[in-house]
Amino acid sequence: QITLRESGPTVVKPTQTLTLTCTFSGFSLSSGGESVGWIRQPPGKALEWLALIYGDDDKRYSPSLKSRLTITKDTSKDQVVFTMTNMDPVDTGTYFCAHKRGWDFDFWGQGTLVTVSS
Amino acid sequence: QSALTQPASVSGSPGQSITISCTGTSNDVGRYDHVSWYQQHPGKAPKLLIYAGSERPSGVSVRFSGSKSGNTASLTISGLQAEDEADYHCSAYAGDRLVIFGGGTKLTVL
Repeated sequence: QITLRESGPTVVKPTQTLTLTCTFSGFSLSSGGESVGWIRQPPGKALEWLALIYGDDDKRYSPSLKSRLTITKDTSKDQVVFTMTNMDPVDTGTYFCAHKRGWDFDFWGQGTLVTVSS
Repeated sequence: QSALTQPASVSGSPGQSITISCTGTSNDVGRYDHVSWYQQHPGKAPKLLIYAGSERPSGVSVRFSGSKSGNTASLTISGLQAEDEADYHCSAYAGDRLVIFGGGTKLTVL
């Protein structure tokens, strides 16, 4: 049974850096076939893929946000850490982490709502 | 890398069939057979409905089916039921291990 859970601040101030942690179980992120991604969703809007990290430590970022994003993994803790710099109110939304095997996000965390406000 | 294009909303009556389109380009939907569809109820996480364009994960109703023609993928829901009312999102492989999502479609069951 694969589970994922996001954790981190619910409110960040403009210009601050957002750091979110995805704690997972049911798989190991040490093999190349597995990956964990971050996807966000502004209130009432569409899903937007942000970043992916693979078991072989390969990393991919959304081209439009690449300069602001970092994704890392701690295999010993079964965690993936995501950071987004220079937060703005337009970055307000629910941030999901999800397991990806192959081409699809087959298991998702419940999501965490992040509000950017001074 | 622009978002895939989906209609903002579709509607249908119970028992009817509806189709949601997802239009990309020859660099994503048109090039690879890796289109996925997700169902999302309000306040919930998305759920994988269709993968590899037309395959259903275990437990997903046969009423949901996927197809592709050229740069456009489609999700068809047959025998519409009240519980199908939700948001539907497509995603596609965009090469180089990149992912792209669509704009989402709100399905209303009349």
